Amino acid sequence: NAGVMQNPRHLVRRRGQEARLRCSPMKGHSHVYWYRQLPEEGLKFMVYLQKENIIDESGMPKERFSAEFPKEGPSILRIQQVVRGDSAAYFCASSRTNEKLFFGSGTQLSVL
Amino acid sequence: AQSVAQPEDQVNVAEGNPLTVKCTYSVSGNPYLFWYVQYPNRGLQFLLKYITGDNLVKGSYGFEAEFNKSQTSFHLKKPSALVSDSALYFCAVRGYTGTASKLTFGTGTRLQVTL
Repeated sequence: NAGVMQNPRHLVRRRGQEARLRCSPMKGHSHVYWYRQLPEEGLKFMVYLQKENIIDESGMPKERFSAEFPKEGPSILRIQQVVRGDSAAYFCASSRTNEKLFFGSGTQLSVL
Repeated sequence: AQSVAQPEDQVNVAEGNPLTVKCTYSVSGNPYLFWYVQYPNRGLQFLLKYITGDNLVKGSYGFEAEFNKSQTSFHLKKPSALVSDSALYFCAVRGYTGTASKLTFGTGTRLQVTL
């Protein structure tokens, strides 16, 4: 049973470009979470989704950020018109029952 | 709102000595508490959780944690540290509301175990 798969591992974008981060949850998991990690700041919750539904997006910036978890395919975290402050490690986690989370290896986004 | 405090940015301990990584929490209702470990350039790995039952919870790699409701704490412990335990440790909490809710993490504590 493969773990949570995130791609790409590293993503470089210039200011103003779009970044798309993908997350394939573990088989049988219908809960997906996105977290952002900045150095010395720990993990910050962004959004919690179940299949086709956003359950909690209280940690998502109001502009430029969006997330989806379609019926088929991976969950996508989309950042439009990236700025240098968006540079961070973005982690996806999945769970079956909203208890124990399994994390992917993360996507390191660098904005030039 | 739920929150987690990890008061120590770093804990240093000699191999073979006991270690404690502190965590306190704030949440409405009964807490679900977790410890995760992160190695360099990796995602978080689950160590242990407290949902209900015994206040002393045993987890992976010889770690354990003690739930103290009156002090709202969930400190991570290990009787004898190993150099390979050196990593970043995160405490997390979720309140049980009967519906789905997010896991809130602390800022992490870096554990450094030396020979």
